Amino acid sequence: NAGVTQTPKFRVLKTGQSMTLLCAQDMNHEYMYWYRQDPGMGLRLIHYSVGEGTTAKGEVPDGYNVSRLKKQNFLLGLESAAPSQTSVYFCASSDRGQTYEQYFGPGTRLTVT
Amino acid sequence: GEDVEQSLFLSVREGDSSVINCTYTDSSSTYLYWYKQEPGAGLQLLTYIFSNMDMKQDQRLTVLLNKKDKHLSLRIADTQTGDSAIYFCAESMGGGKLIFGQGTELSVKP
Repeated sequence: NAGVTQTPKFRVLKTGQSMTLLCAQDMNHEYMYWYRQDPGMGLRLIHYSVGEGTTAKGEVPDGYNVSRLKKQNFLLGLESAAPSQTSVYFCASSDRGQTYEQYFGPGTRLTVT
Repeated sequence: GEDVEQSLFLSVREGDSSVINCTYTDSSSTYLYWYKQEPGAGLQLLTYIFSNMDMKQDQRLTVLLNKKDKHLSLRIADTQTGDSAIYFCAESMGGGKLIFGQGTELSVKP
């Protein structure tokens, strides 16, 4: 049981390039989330999904797109990377239970030059 | 809008108690959480408290909730060097969403 996995672990992009971050979970969770973590700002929700085929905007969605074609995968896309998107990105998943405990992946460190 | 505030740093000596504080704004939150992040890793749930409780104890951890003041605290008894990490407070927003505080970096000195 791997839990939540993220690929890649590290990436360096040039301004204007595009990339996709992949998140996979093997816990059959309904809900999945993408956060970014910046120093002194905690975690901010980018997009989330409450089930296969659904996505919704979070607190900081601009410049990102997501897709949830399969229940176990949640993809985060950057179409035209900007230096302001340099951050650590975390994926999480949770079940539709009472406490909605979120399980986190190990993170992807992205640098945009 | 909804907001969760924490102080950024706390330094304690090994064996002392640590108290990490948090204030939140949404009085309708059903659950409040404490997550721990070790260096280079994702967050892990430490404990949570239901909004109709005042206190929850779990081994060395004690969570206190003051709903009137919208104040949450996490006390770690007999703090060890292995407790050095960033601790995040979070409140539930409904629909599975959480709002996180900025995180408190706990440094434990031998």
